[in-house]
Amino acid sequence: DVKVTQSSRYLVKRTGEKVFLECVQDMDHENMFWYRQDPGLGLRLIYFSYDVKMKEKGDIPEGYSVSREKKERFSLILESASTNQTSMYLCASSLAQGRLAGLLDTQYFGPGTRLTVL
Amino acid sequence: AQSVSQHNHHVILSEAASLELGCNYSYGGTVNLFWYVQYPGQHLQLLLKYFSGDPLVKGIKGFEAEFIKSKFSFNLRKPSVQWSDTAEYFCAVRTSGTYKYIFGTGTRLKVLA
Repeated sequence: DVKVTQSSRYLVKRTGEKVFLECVQDMDHENMFWYRQDPGLGLRLIYFSYDVKMKEKGDIPEGYSVSREKKERFSLILESASTNQTSMYLCASSLAQGRLAGLLDTQYFGPGTRLTVL
Repeated sequence: AQSVSQHNHHVILSEAASLELGCNYSYGGTVNLFWYVQYPGQHLQLLLKYFSGDPLVKGIKGFEAEFIKSKFSFNLRKPSVQWSDTAEYFCAVRTSGTYKYIFGTGTRLKVLA
């Protein structure tokens, strides 16, 4: 059974703190994604990675960085948390294009981390 | 810029009513289209997807969607909703040659028993 796990379901941090959100997938997927989900705005892509050590900016990368040192793990880093980063953060993974067409392109999501920055 | 529009933000229906949720995208090239669902307290999960071929796609739990290329639309339908369909529904598009998915803002469906 496919599984994407995120390190915390709920997190409360203070303004200015450095925050690490971890995501692990056990499906040997090449692609991994970080989104934030806000009411009325849907899901917005922060960063994605298509291979180890490879990353690309999404639509809203400002204030965030990412790290992918191992294929199964994709970390989102808030260098200096701010109150406007209070949100639900979702991690997802998918197979690379060209592999297993029946499963191609399906994104598998983790349970989310609800981050509150005070 | 590419975008996905879901015009219905909140929908309330009674059980057994028919459902249609709209989704329009702005991109003239080849696209892959998805509907995801998020039940209360659960992960986002795939409902159905379209890549090519028959524009009428059937998904899980009796849902279907029709791709109309000329209208840039991929509307989600279900002939008779159940209370358990209460959830938030997201339309998403991935354009050919990119890794990036663009999600709509979501539609919250509430089904009254």
